[in-house]
Amino acid sequence: AQKITQTQPGMFVQEKEAVTLDCTYDTSDQSYGLFWYKQPSSGEMIFLIYQGSYDEQNATEGRYSLNFQKARKSANLVISASQLGDSAMYFCAMREAAFYNTDKLIFGTGTRLQVFP
Amino acid sequence: GAVVSQHPSRVICKSGTSVKIECRSLDFQATTMFWYRQFPKQSLMLMATSNEGSKATYEQGVEKDKFLINHASLTLSTLTVTSAHPEDSSFYICSASDRPNQPQHFGDGTRLSIL
Repeated sequence: AQKITQTQPGMFVQEKEAVTLDCTYDTSDQSYGLFWYKQPSSGEMIFLIYQGSYDEQNATEGRYSLNFQKARKSANLVISASQLGDSAMYFCAMREAAFYNTDKLIFGTGTRLQVFP
Repeated sequence: GAVVSQHPSRVICKSGTSVKIECRSLDFQATTMFWYRQFPKQSLMLMATSNEGSKATYEQGVEKDKFLINHASLTLSTLTVTSAHPEDSSFYICSASDRPNQPQHFGDGTRLSIL
């Protein structure tokens, strides 16, 4: 069974510093996708970054980068130059292999990031 | 970019009431939409996959007679919580993707409180 593990329930980081949020996954599929979403206190889910299992380069989107280590089955999110507005819950998610094109997502338990001045 | 709209954003109602939540894809067609439930300080749990023109696929443990899903058009899926009780109080959020194998876009969610 596929599974996503986020071992850090909470993280603190000082403004302008970088922070790494951990995510490990377990799957027997060869083809899969990994996602990170941000959920502010207002509740909406904001897509941040995506990494495909066959992508050779680590994904980057602005201040977000994904440290993809396939052999270790880890997909850590790195946020550079943290801002106060980055304070939120962060969820790692995995898409099951395209089976009948379902695009189902499995979510980890999340990490609450707090950025302090 | 792809936008998903969810309505209402908040509902407070009495026990026994049925509540309908709408999820619309505003600028794209979605043959598949997903409904999640999130308890406070917990992760999102997939409830069901909504398929346009056919029956929804429910996850194990989700009562299909309790949570009715209708996906009558390519831009609208509805979730109806029938005869809601306090234990149904939760945050419900829908998602859809505009293309296969692309990131899902989420609605803003609905906070349901049953008194």
